[in-house]
Amino acid sequence: IVMTQTPLSLSVTPGQPASISCKSSQSLLHSDGKTYLYWYLQKPGQPPQLLIYEVSSRFSGVPDRFSGSGSGTDFTLKISRVEAEDVGVYYCMQSLQPWTFGQGTKVEIK
Amino acid sequence: EVRLVQSGAEVKKPGESLKISCKGSGYSFINYWIGWVRQMPGKGLEWMGIIYRGDSDIRYSPSFQGQVTISADKSISTAYLQWSSLKASDTAMYYCARVHWYDSSRDKRGPFDFWGPGTMVTVSS
Repeated sequence: IVMTQTPLSLSVTPGQPASISCKSSQSLLHSDGKTYLYWYLQKPGQPPQLLIYEVSSRFSGVPDRFSGSGSGTDFTLKISRVEAEDVGVYYCMQSLQPWTFGQGTKVEIK
Repeated sequence: EVRLVQSGAEVKKPGESLKISCKGSGYSFINYWIGWVRQMPGKGLEWMGIIYRGDSDIRYSPSFQGQVTISADKSISTAYLQWSSLKASDTAMYYCARVHWYDSSRDKRGPFDFWGPGTMVTVSS
């Protein structure tokens, strides 16, 4: 399954919203009714950290300014008000067959 | 607190062998799968393979099958990634990460929830 993210880079003013799109080459809806789409943030010099699981659930400790939505093959990560600590590369990932990542979206602060 | 501690950076020559490690703590190592993920310089993330508690149950990505060997020693909660003959194209950061859940009988899996800091492997003559 190929994961395609847009845009590849984003420059955001602090306090403003940001949105990243992720499209999969086939539906990520499993026969069990769950959709296996996740979002990660890789801050500079750090490993990726899980933000969102199964499309829209925030992982433990993730601020509520992060939200995920979508279904089937089209997904979106939104940051309601970008903060300086949100800079890094955001990846979407699917775990249906078995794991593939998007190419990443670099978010920087204006 | 879940922690994955990886071995330090390595600089090797082409053709040399290498084994890097990942030690888990703060959780029951034998109840979770551990995966390895490659990140080449300036590039994205690629899943390489996973192993379950040192058993013979190992799954490789087709892209990495035959190129690397994954193993584990459950007595010391440590997973390994090894190469028998390194190439310059193996230069990358290698992360180990815990698989949040994996149902091998139904071929369903969850995300990588906790990650190690990474081991940088540089292969250069």
